Amino acid sequence: DAGVTQSPTHLIKTRGQHVTLRCSPISGHKSVSWYQQVLGQGPQFIFQYYEKEERGRGNFPDRFSARQFPNYSSELNVNALLLGDSALYLCASSLVLRRPGGRSPLHFGNGTRLTVT
Amino acid sequence: AQSVTQLDSQVPVFEEAPVELRCNYSSSVSVYLFWYVQYPNQGLQLLLKYLSGSTLVKGINGFEAEFNKSQTSFHLRKPSVHISDTAEYFCAVSHIQGAQKLVFGQGTRLTINP
Repeated sequence: DAGVTQSPTHLIKTRGQHVTLRCSPISGHKSVSWYQQVLGQGPQFIFQYYEKEERGRGNFPDRFSARQFPNYSSELNVNALLLGDSALYLCASSLVLRRPGGRSPLHFGNGTRLTVT
Repeated sequence: AQSVTQLDSQVPVFEEAPVELRCNYSSSVSVYLFWYVQYPNQGLQLLLKYLSGSTLVKGINGFEAEFNKSQTSFHLRKPSVHISDTAEYFCAVSHIQGAQKLVFGQGTRLTINP
């Protein structure tokens, strides 16, 4: 089975531009999350989406937005890019377990490396 | 709010030696605990997780971790490392309820020397 796929793998943008990153979850996974990993740091949570609704949001400005489509794929959009937005953007998918105490682990894609110049 | 501290940013070890990567967390509520590994130019791969039950958790590639609630620690161990274990290792926590948000530590770079 295919894992989480992200596109593009690399991207170079200039300050002030807009970018859209795409993610396809593992088949059967209905939850998609986005993380930002700045060089030398651990990933930071940006969003979680499930059933096309935002279920959680990290401490990121409104320039960051996302959406989930009926096929459970997702897009992350970043407006008015800043140099500090340069990072590896990771998408992760998971099952949604309804039983108490249930937590399906996150499965990560290989990420999109965004460079802002 | 939760936080995770990985006490060593870099750990150099000789091949076939044992290794321990240390992780401490802080949280006012119950959490799940995870260790992920990241190889160069790749995403994160789950090594192991603690949700409940036995405090000693076994994962892939011969790794194991022990949950210590009193010390709020979740240290990762392997009795004998290989060159292929060279990677970045991340400890993470998640609330047991609500959004499935992982809070990661800063990472520990494990370097295996021949």
